Amino acid sequence: EVQLVESGGGLVQPGGSLRLSCAASGFSVSSYYMSWVRQAPGQGLEWLSVMYSGGSTYYADSVRGRFTLSRDSSKNTLYVQMNSLRAEDTAVYYCARGPNGYVSWAFDIWGQGTMVTVSS
Amino acid sequence: DIQMTQSPSSVSASVGDRVTITCRASQGISSWLAWYQQKPGKAPKLLIYAASSLQSGVPSRFSGSGSGTDFTLTISSLQPEDFATYYCQQANSFPPWTFGQGTKVEIK
Repeated sequence: EVQLVESGGGLVQPGGSLRLSCAASGFSVSSYYMSWVRQAPGQGLEWLSVMYSGGSTYYADSVRGRFTLSRDSSKNTLYVQMNSLRAEDTAVYYCARGPNGYVSWAFDIWGQGTMVTVSS
Repeated sequence: DIQMTQSPSSVSASVGDRVTITCRASQGISSWLAWYQQKPGKAPKLLIYAASSLQSGVPSRFSGSGSGTDFTLTISSLQPEDFATYYCQQANSFPPWTFGQGTKVEIK
């Protein structure tokens, strides 16, 4: 079964750091573009970052310089290292496969999400 | 960045109703548009890509249309499991990929 499972969320103080993981099954994270998308409480979806299959990364302005993507092919896992966290980073963080060219650059597989709360 | 604007923000409808949601892009995006359904506490689910192509497993009561800047998602006969929030997403100019603000379909 093709699926994504996120982990690593929790409560962190402003200025702190957290690393989220996204474990994939049924496909290789190295063969697809892989993204992180977040959703603040009661709000809409915000794309944050992508890692291309070749390893290039791109970030939204809101997280550039603070968030860093990486992947471990042996574990088939995508990571996001989040530093200098702010209250406005409080959200559910989703890992998503995509944009996927097979579905015209949509995000076709999503994890269940992991909650990050930034508060003192 | 391309801005995506959905209307209405919410709609109240009854089971069996036809529901139409509109998404407008701030500039032309050809047919590079996707629609997602999100239920409370759950991840988004891809419904439609390329403006009108139905994702595998999605019921045929869902349809999409449009090109350029104006797009619509139509649910031909609303079912109880369709009460959710729907988002559009542009895939023409990236990064960043951008989503609409969402349309909540509520029970009348």
